[in-house]
Parts: sequence; C-alpha cells; structure tokens
Amino acid sequence: QKEVEQDPGPLSVPEGAIVSLNCTYSNSAFQYFMWYRQYSRKGPELLMYTYSSGNKEDGRFTAQVDKSSKYISLFIRDSQPSDSATYLCAMTGPPPNSNYQLIWGAGTKLIIKP
Amino acid sequence: DTAVSQTPKYLVTQMGNDKSIKCEQNLGHDTMYWYKQDSKKFLKIMFSYNNKELIINETVPNRFSPKSPDKAHLNLHINSLELGDSAVYFCASSYGTANTGELFFGEGSRLTVL
Repeated sequence: QKEVEQDPGPLSVPEGAIVSLNCTYSNSAFQYFMWYRQYSRKGPELLMYTYSSGNKEDGRFTAQVDKSSKYISLFIRDSQPSDSATYLCAMTGPPPNSNYQLIWGAGTKLIIKP
Repeated sequence: DTAVSQTPKYLVTQMGNDKSIKCEQNLGHDTMYWYKQDSKKFLKIMFSYNNKELIINETVPNRFSPKSPDKAHLNLHINSLELGDSAVYFCASSYGTANTGELFFGEGSRLTVL
C-alpha cells in the first residue's frame, strides 16, 4: 500500500462545476498538507498549504484536512478552463515516522470543459 | 526574473552517453532538490542539498551524481544513460531543512534516451 493514494483521473467536468479532488494517506504522523498545481510542461506550484486538521479557503479554492479519517480534499468552486491541470497532493511530518520528507500523491489530471 | 531555472529544457541523447543538467535559484533558499517525474506524473525525490551538503540521497543508481558548487546551484550529472532514465527532471528549492512543503520548482528538463 502506498503512503499516499490519489486517483490519477482524468476527471472531466463542465465549466462552472464544483470540483472535489482527494487524497488518502496511511501515516498518522503527517501534519503538513499541500496541494500543488502543475500545468502541462511546467513545474508544480504550491496552491494551498494546511497545517493539521481543518479548512483553509483562498478565493475559489478550499482545502480540507480530516486527520481522523486520514483524508484530504481540495474543492474548486466555479471551475474555469484555466483550472485544467494536474493537481498533486503532498504531505509531511516530523521524525521518527516521517522525518519531514515530502510524500507525494500520483496527481489527478483535471479537465474543465468550456 | 526566473526564480528556479534549469538548463537545458530538452535533452535527446543515445543510450550510453553522459549528460548534465544545471539548476540555479535566485530566491536565497538554502535547500535544493532534484526530482524525477515519470510518464505517469509521479514525482520522486532523488537528492537534496542544504548549504552545499547532501542531506537526502534516495535509492538512485550511482550513475546519477549531484553536485552543489554553492547554495544557489545544484547540478545533476548522469553517466551511461539508459532507456529507463527518460523522464522529466525537476529542480526545486526551499528555505531550511525542515521540509514543510513550500517548494519552488523549475520548469523541468525533459530527457529522452533513444
């Protein structure tokens, strides 16, 4: 079993829809949770960053962390064609179980149809 | 001004050749990384340097040799290239060694081994 599981997609939705992207993980030591966005032929860029459990909102994007279920989500409201990209979750935590190394999901390819 | 820049962006070469990829960051970060991203978009850490010292050295064939002349530069040399080395190689940087996930990536170097 991988430490971080993420459905690779592709996930195709119409413009304006609410998108839900998810990752599950197995290591309860993880404390820092990130979502990166990667456009085609570009490097990943940090989109959202959350420490421990709870929600964080930034414009149309909301990141949720449920540590009890070991489940994180990224919601995109009013999705736009420009949101079409691969979304990678990543997480890390302190030693000894994690040692602050970033563990990545496989990435979900998202396609927003105009 | 590009924050993390890699050269070359594209490399096409024959099996058995040796090649190098260079990376420079102008963000003042003290930690730099090399990641490999395969065709399925999975990101795998290869190496990490903090202030020119190697701190992460994952299970990577010893044909791969990183070199950090100063904290703003991290180069990757690959000897005796194999077909399986074909991938996109990303350089990244961050503050400090406690990796809370805020990485800044370059645009990637796409290596094709024929």
